[in-house]
Amino acid sequence: EPEVTQTPSHQVTQMGQEVILRCVPISNHLYFYWYRQILGQKVEFLVSFYNNEISEKSEIFDDQFSVERPDGSNFTLKIRSTKLEDSAMYFCASSELGAEAFFGQGTRLTVV
Amino acid sequence: GIQVEQSPPDLILQEGANSTLRCNFSDSVNNLQWFHQNPWGQLINLFYIPSGTKQNGRLSATTVATERYSLLYISSSQTTDSGVYFCAVERGNQGGKLIFGQGTELSVKP
Repeated sequence: EPEVTQTPSHQVTQMGQEVILRCVPISNHLYFYWYRQILGQKVEFLVSFYNNEISEKSEIFDDQFSVERPDGSNFTLKIRSTKLEDSAMYFCASSELGAEAFFGQGTRLTVV
Repeated sequence: GIQVEQSPPDLILQEGANSTLRCNFSDSVNNLQWFHQNPWGQLINLFYIPSGTKQNGRLSATTVATERYSLLYISSSQTTDSGVYFCAVERGNQGGKLIFGQGTELSVKP
């Protein structure tokens, strides 16, 4: 069964460093997303991406964040100059138009 | 924006018991999904159910879109059902964002 895969599963980084979280969406999906879940809280939408551009973003997704589809299979989230409060589980998801979204297993980011 | 409220926030069951989880949403939606977040943090798709009723083994779900709520039924609960159950909705149908509820944390005791 096709699935969304994320790497790495865990990432520890020093405050102020840049991190790149990677995702391989399901191959025939056209819509890609990043979500964030701070420990013990609900899952929050960050950004959606379609046709090689951002289609929607939340207030959380400020200039510190960027997304890219560098090739035909990968979808990345870059966080510049990480802060302690960026520590969270980051989920990638993908879907077809107006259909069920499927989530990756998540990347647990810890900023120290 | 749309509000999603889940109840109860916490639920403790004895193995074998049945339960009903509720999700209320404040506006019409085009997409509603139920997820189970396991102890490792993974979000497992349970149902894609913008309306109607679906069943999958011991789990079933019903969404009454006109009354803006959805119910998730768990029958004959098992310890492996423990975790957090999230409801998430989407207003648009152009591949937009899912808005999650706060979740129901279920603990099934042996």
